[in-house]
Amino acid sequence: GQSLEQPSEVTAVEGAIVQINCTYQTSGFYGLSWYQQHDGGAPTFLSYNALDGLEETGRFSSFLSRSDSYGYLLLQELQMKDSASYFCAVREWDKIIFGKGTRLHILP
Amino acid sequence: GAVVSQHPSWVICKSGTSVKIECRSLDFQATTMFWYRQFPKQSLMLMATSNEGSKATYEQGVEKDKFLINHASLTLSTLTVTSAHPEDSSFYICSAGPRDRMYGYTFGSGTRLTVV
Repeated sequence: GQSLEQPSEVTAVEGAIVQINCTYQTSGFYGLSWYQQHDGGAPTFLSYNALDGLEETGRFSSFLSRSDSYGYLLLQELQMKDSASYFCAVREWDKIIFGKGTRLHILP
Repeated sequence: GAVVSQHPSWVICKSGTSVKIECRSLDFQATTMFWYRQFPKQSLMLMATSNEGSKATYEQGVEKDKFLINHASLTLSTLTVTSAHPEDSSFYICSAGPRDRMYGYTFGSGTRLTVV
């Protein structure tokens, strides 16, 4: 079966940088995605890595190492609005499976 | 592009009744849609994969007769919770994406179901 592991909670200070790690075990791997979800809202897509390396999108970057079955989401210049849950997800064949999510707390 | 609309946003129903949730792709055709369930402060659990014109594929442990999925057109999938019980109260979310984009799926706004 498939499994994704990520920390349950992370706390950081406004303006700082935070990294959320994700390790996965799955068959038929097609890529690692990251989603953001605010309380009461639906998940929104942040980034996607199909190949090894770093993808940068504004303040957010995502990294993938397929040989290590590992990836991370890097959030820079943290803002209070970044307080949310972040999910890594893998595409396994024709469906997307989510990790349990990391709740990011940001302190002023 | 790739907008997914879900309706209703919230619903309260009595135990034993059935509730239908709709998921529509507004600007693309979705041969496949996904239904997730999320309990408070937990992850999104994939319930089933909805396939246009054919039977849905349910994940292990999901009752097919309780959660009826119909994908009658390329833009509409419905999830019907039959004989609802209080333990079915949850946040149900659908997602879909254009056929050539299998990564950045778009989610509907979700439906919060409360069974009383």
